[in-house]
Amino acid sequence: DGGITQSPKYLFRKEGQNVTLSCEQNLNHDAMYWYRQDPGQGLRLIYYSQIVNDFQKGDIAEGYSVSREKKESFPLTVTSAQKNPTAFYLCASSWQQGEKLFFGSGTQLSVL
Amino acid sequence: GEDVEQSLFLSVREGDSSVINCTYTDSSSTYLYWYKQEPGAGLQLLTYIFSNMDMKQDQRLTVLLNKKDKHLSLRIADTQTGDSAIYFCAESYGGSQGNLIFGKGTKLSVKP
Repeated sequence: DGGITQSPKYLFRKEGQNVTLSCEQNLNHDAMYWYRQDPGQGLRLIYYSQIVNDFQKGDIAEGYSVSREKKESFPLTVTSAQKNPTAFYLCASSWQQGEKLFFGSGTQLSVL
Repeated sequence: GEDVEQSLFLSVREGDSSVINCTYTDSSSTYLYWYKQEPGAGLQLLTYIFSNMDMKQDQRLTVLLNKKDKHLSLRIADTQTGDSAIYFCAESYGGSQGNLIFGKGTKLSVKP
């Protein structure tokens, strides 16, 4: 089955800690994205990547970092610089930028 | 700048039709999408319409596009309790021309 897998489903972060959210896709898509969702806020773009070894900041990149070493994988690190990390994080992919997105099932990050 | 607007809430009775509305600002949009999000899950692509079309029907779903007024609607016939979710509209310019722009989502509640 082709799709996007996010893990873990739930994640807890202690103060001062970096945590990494995993996103893997087997759809052979070139473009991948990370969104943050807060209640009533809709989706906000954190980072996106159009091709391996390249990525761009979205609207709210501060306190986050990404890598794109493989086409299939686009992990997101929430660093200790992100002071309000509690949110639902969604990974998505598309054949190329601007085309319809396919989403993973999300990771809920909470602060201990 | 670009913006996509939706009303935040809609409540209907089971068996009635639901109409979810969306307005967008950029007339050069190429595709317009409707996504569904159930609680604690990712976004699922429901349907989309190319900008040169006025209407698209897919089983219980009807999408209407009024390009002159930049207005998009999603009609769900015979609404069921399983249709309760948040519905997002999004616009794009097509491949390699910028990312999708999402509205904040409309929460549909279906009462038995």
